[in-house]
Amino acid sequence: GDSVTQMEGPVTLSEEACLTINCTYTATGYPSLFWYVQYPGEGLQLLLKATKADDKGSNKGFEATYRKETTSFHLEKGSVQVSDSAVYFCALGAGGYNKLIFGAGTRLAVHP
Amino acid sequence: EAGVTQSPTHLIKTRGQQATLRCSPISGHTSVYWYQQALGLGLQFLLWYDEGEERNRGNFPPRFSGRQFPNYSSELNVNALELEDSALYLCASSLAFGDRSYEQYFGPGTRLTVT
Repeated sequence: GDSVTQMEGPVTLSEEACLTINCTYTATGYPSLFWYVQYPGEGLQLLLKATKADDKGSNKGFEATYRKETTSFHLEKGSVQVSDSAVYFCALGAGGYNKLIFGAGTRLAVHP
Repeated sequence: EAGVTQSPTHLIKTRGQQATLRCSPISGHTSVYWYQQALGLGLQFLLWYDEGEERNRGNFPPRFSGRQFPNYSSELNVNALELEDSALYLCASSLAFGDRSYEQYFGPGTRLTVT
């Protein structure tokens, strides 16, 4: 069945460091791909999305490119801030049933 | 524009009781989804409602049920509560069909604690 695999956390970085959170997926067909972010004590916020191969989603300095050949959707940011500390979830939407399938989440902690 | 709202924020119940959680979608969204975020189990899809009908169901027992009202708000009911039902229950909404149907917007969640 469809699935999403994310790198395990926690990821600990200093402010202004570069971030990469790896995400790979298994799906039949051509899923839509998403990154969601969950700040402490809150629900999930849609961070960015890509709906077809080679699409690049971007928001708030974060980027991810839909790579069909490697079935990946890695999240990147050039310079992280303390306020980016949160849990990041990679997700795919596929199968025609409007169900999102999430990865396990990666906790990011950014220190001053 | 108001986002997805959920109530209550926290709910404490005893084993065997019933819990009712409520959700109001973003205006214009007809689809409502429920997900369970339990410690160590990640986010799992529970239910999808659209136009008052249950459209899809995750791998949960029948004591998890719900409904959607004519104004598209939704209720999740959990009967015969068990300790392992303790979790954050997230509601999301979206347009029903088309490319944006997977673009789901989440509420802040209801934290259910079963003692």
